[in-house]
Amino acid sequence: SYVLTQPPSVSVAPGQTARITCGGNNIGSKNLHWYQQKPGQAPVLVVYDNSVRPSGIPERFSGSNSGNTATLTISRVEAGDEADYFCQVWNGNTDLWVFGGGTKLTVL
Amino acid sequence: QVQLVESGGGVVQPGRSLRLSCAASGFTFSSYGMHWVRQAPGKGLEWVALISYRGSNKYYADSVKGRFTISRDNSKNTLYLQMNSLRAEDTAVYYCAKDVSSGCGADCPPGYWGQGTLVTVSS
Repeated sequence: SYVLTQPPSVSVAPGQTARITCGGNNIGSKNLHWYQQKPGQAPVLVVYDNSVRPSGIPERFSGSNSGNTATLTISRVEAGDEADYFCQVWNGNTDLWVFGGGTKLTVL
Repeated sequence: QVQLVESGGGVVQPGRSLRLSCAASGFTFSSYGMHWVRQAPGKGLEWVALISYRGSNKYYADSVKGRFTISRDNSKNTLYLQMNSLRAEDTAVYYCAKDVSSGCGADCPPGYWGQGTLVTVSS
């Protein structure tokens, strides 16, 4: 089965840039999606198809995907960005959706 | 605006059944694939099932295949998840979600999620 690996936690000071990675075998050949989940709330799609932002998502959120690593970049981090972030791909070989384990972003 | 409202959760004994519903509004339900995704307490997200916008194609996680059935009634704008032979490890908040775009294939990600309904499997 296809595995997505995320660091359990990332910490960043307000105003700095946060980078959250998602690793997988040849993940650059797949479309990668990112979700933000704040405590007690449903997940929100923040980037899809590697780098597309849905309507209403700030430009501070961006994504890239190449080789074996995809990255969600959050520029000028704000306290309100503190949340869990999950990556996701469609594994066409097995017709299954796969989530990464999630990364807790802490704003110091 | 888009609304997805899940219902049907509750406490159920191991081995019993439960049916979840997801009432959709604010968009053309029959044009969107729909997902069920669950989250065990304090854990990450686990995709459960997907149904195409016409209902002709269905996909399941290995952990629920043969026990859970996803279905939809486009005339009622409602998505369902029939859960049989429930196990303690099925305990989770179950979210329904619509595809990010209309008319796309199985590789279309969930773009909007409901608030979820809690299922607890316990004796």
